[in-house]
Amino acid sequence: EIVLTQSPATLSLSPGERASLSCRASESVSNYLAWYQQRPGQAPRLLIYAASNRATGVPARFSGSGSGTDFTLTISSLQPEDFAVYYCQQRNKWPRTFGQGTKLEI
Amino acid sequence: EVQLLESGGSLVQPGGSLRLSCAASGFAFSHHAMTWVRQAPGKGLEWVSSISGSGGTTYHADSVKGRFTISRDNSKDTVYLQMNSLRGEDTAVYYCAKETVVLPTDYLDYWGQGTLVTVSS
Repeated sequence: EIVLTQSPATLSLSPGERASLSCRASESVSNYLAWYQQRPGQAPRLLIYAASNRATGVPARFSGSGSGTDFTLTISSLQPEDFAVYYCQQRNKWPRTFGQGTKLEI
Repeated sequence: EVQLLESGGSLVQPGGSLRLSCAASGFAFSHHAMTWVRQAPGKGLEWVSSISGSGGTTYHADSVKGRFTISRDNSKDTVYLQMNSLRGEDTAVYYCAKETVVLPTDYLDYWGQGTLVTVSS
């Protein structure tokens, strides 16, 4: 199965700063990668699909990039509501594996 | 408005069975594949099972293969997860999610709020 490795495990930043989260795949997933945000006590929410496309209603400060094995989720200027856990998931092969998550904390 | 409402989670003994349901509304249910994802307490997300819109194709994670079965009833806009031979490591919140096609693959664009399954004696 494809293993997704997210780094760092925890990222400590302040509101207004820029965040860069990494997701690396054990083999190429082309651009079939999604990013999800999960706030405490809530269900995950789709942020980015096909590596770089924002889902409906997602603010423009969120952007995704990458292809093949290396992907990045960037949040340009952190807002208080952005402090959450972020997961990547590959949609190239079964099983549809997730990364272990990056916790973005204040 | 898309809504997904899971139910059926409870406390069950090891070796027991449980059936989860996910009632969908707000979209053309039979046109969309559906997926179950779980999250153990304090842990990350784990894909469990997926089923095509017609119900003719299913996929299961190796960790549940032979014990869990995903199915759907398009007349009731509901997807199910039959869980047998439950183990402690199956303890988790189980989320139902809708898939949307972005060719050539698809993505989980809506999620329910989850239902808690606890396997313990």
